[in-house]
Amino acid sequence: SQKIEQNSEALNIQEGKTATLTCNYTNYSPAYLQWYRQDPGRGPVFLLLIRENEKEKRKERLKVTFDTTLKQSLFHITASQPADSATYLCALGHAAGNKLTFGGGTRVLVKP
Amino acid sequence: GAVVSQHPSRVICKSGTSVKIECRSLDFQATTMFWYRQFPKQSLMLMATSNEGSKATYEQGVEKDKFLINHASLTLSTLTVTSAHPEDSSFYICSARLSLGDADTQYFGPGTRLTVL
Repeated sequence: SQKIEQNSEALNIQEGKTATLTCNYTNYSPAYLQWYRQDPGRGPVFLLLIRENEKEKRKERLKVTFDTTLKQSLFHITASQPADSATYLCALGHAAGNKLTFGGGTRVLVKP
Repeated sequence: GAVVSQHPSRVICKSGTSVKIECRSLDFQATTMFWYRQFPKQSLMLMATSNEGSKATYEQGVEKDKFLINHASLTLSTLTVTSAHPEDSSFYICSARLSLGDADTQYFGPGTRLTVL
C-alpha cells in the first residue's frame, strides 16, 4: 500500500542553524510533491511545489529537493528563526486533478 | 492571492443537532474543494472531494449521509454534520484546488473546531 513517512519526532534546533526534514514514500510514483506549514489550530499553508523532473527548488530561506530514485524529498530551512517553529507536512500528487496525500508531519521547534 | 475562508471558526453544539460549515475561495474560482478532518497531533484525513455542480466523492469509511456536502457555486462549498455526536468533535479544514497546469496545489481555510457536547 502507498505510504508516506515523515519523522514523527519533533526537531529541536538552535536559531540560525539549518533544519532538515525528510519525506519518504513507498509504492507511489508522484508527479509532484508539495510542502506545507501548519501552525497549531490553523489550516496548512502552501510553501513549495517541486515536480518529478526537478531536482531542487528554492524560495527565500527554504530549499526542497526531490529524488525519485531514493523516493525521498528533503526540506531545508536555512538560518532558522523561532518564527519558523511549526509542523511541516509533505504531500504527494499523482497528476493534475487528483487529490493530494499527506504525510504525518514533522514538528520543528527553533530555540532562540 | 489564493485566500480561502472558513466559517465558523469554532462551534459548540449539543448532541443530535446539525452543524453547517462554509468554505469560500475569496479571490479565485475553485471547481474542486476538499474537506479534511484532523485529530490532535495527527495528520489531515481527507473526507471528501467536493465538485462544483455535481455530487461529492467520499473517501472510504466516510458516511455521506452524515457529512453532507454541497458545492453550489465556484466559490462556496458547505459541509453539514448531521445529527452530530461527541465522536464527531474534531478540527475540520477545507481547501480549494488551484491548477498550475501540470500540477495542482491546495489553499486551505483556517479550519473549524467542532465540539459536540
